[in-house]
Amino acid sequence: AQKVTQAQTEISVVEKEDVTLDCVYETRDTTYYLFWYKQPPSGELVFLIRRNSFDEQNEISGRYSWNFQKSTSSFNFTITASQVVDSAVYFCALIRANAGGTSYGKLTFGQGTILTVHP
Amino acid sequence: GAGVSQSPSNKVTEKGKDVELRCDPISGHTALYWYRQSLGQGLEFLIYFQGNSAPDKSGLPSDRFSAERTGGSVSTLTIQRTQQEDSAVYLCASSNRPLDTQYFGPGTRLTVL
Repeated sequence: AQKVTQAQTEISVVEKEDVTLDCVYETRDTTYYLFWYKQPPSGELVFLIRRNSFDEQNEISGRYSWNFQKSTSSFNFTITASQVVDSAVYFCALIRANAGGTSYGKLTFGQGTILTVHP
Repeated sequence: GAGVSQSPSNKVTEKGKDVELRCDPISGHTALYWYRQSLGQGLEFLIYFQGNSAPDKSGLPSDRFSAERTGGSVSTLTIQRTQQEDSAVYLCASSNRPLDTQYFGPGTRLTVL
C-alpha cells in the first residue's frame, strides 16, 4: 500500500519569509505521480503541480518551487517570499500508475499542512 | 471552461434519512472520483468511475453508500440511513484520463444531526 506523510501539521510564518512544506511518500510501484494541492479557506482543492516518477527535475513557478528526490522519497514544496494569500492547507498526494490491483488511479493524500502567513 | 460543480453545497439531515449528492464533472472527462474529507480521517477515496467500466467501489465505507454515473457524465452519491459519522465534506473530482490531474469541485458539506 502507498502512504504519504506530511510531518508538519501547522506552520506559521511572517509575510516575506520563505517556507518549505515537507512531503515523504512510500510506494512499491516504479511508476507513480506526485501532486500538490492547495485548499484555501473557501474549501476547494486547487491543483498546483503534478510530477511523474521518472522526472526528478526541480520545478519553479513564480514564488513556488518543488524539489523531488527519489533517493529520499521526498517531494518538498517551497514558497518564497510568502504572502498572506498563501495561507491555506496544503496537501501532498500520490497516484500509483502500475496497472493492476487496487488504488490504481486514486489519489492517496497526506494529512495536510496548515500554513498561516501573518502580515 | 466550466469546472467541476457539486450540489447542494450544504446539506443538513436527520439521522436515518437518505441523502443524494450530485456531481457534474468537467465536460469530456472520462474519469470521475468521489472523496470524503473529515476531521478524523483526512481525505479518503470513496469510489471511481472510468468510462463504461465497472466502478471501483473499494473505498466505500459501508453498504449504505452507493453511487452511479449516468451517461458517462453526471454522478450521484447516495447515502442511505445516514449516521452522524457520515458528517463530512464530500468532494468530487474528474480527470481527462485515469492518471491525469484530478480537478476538484467545491464539495458538499453534509451534516447529520
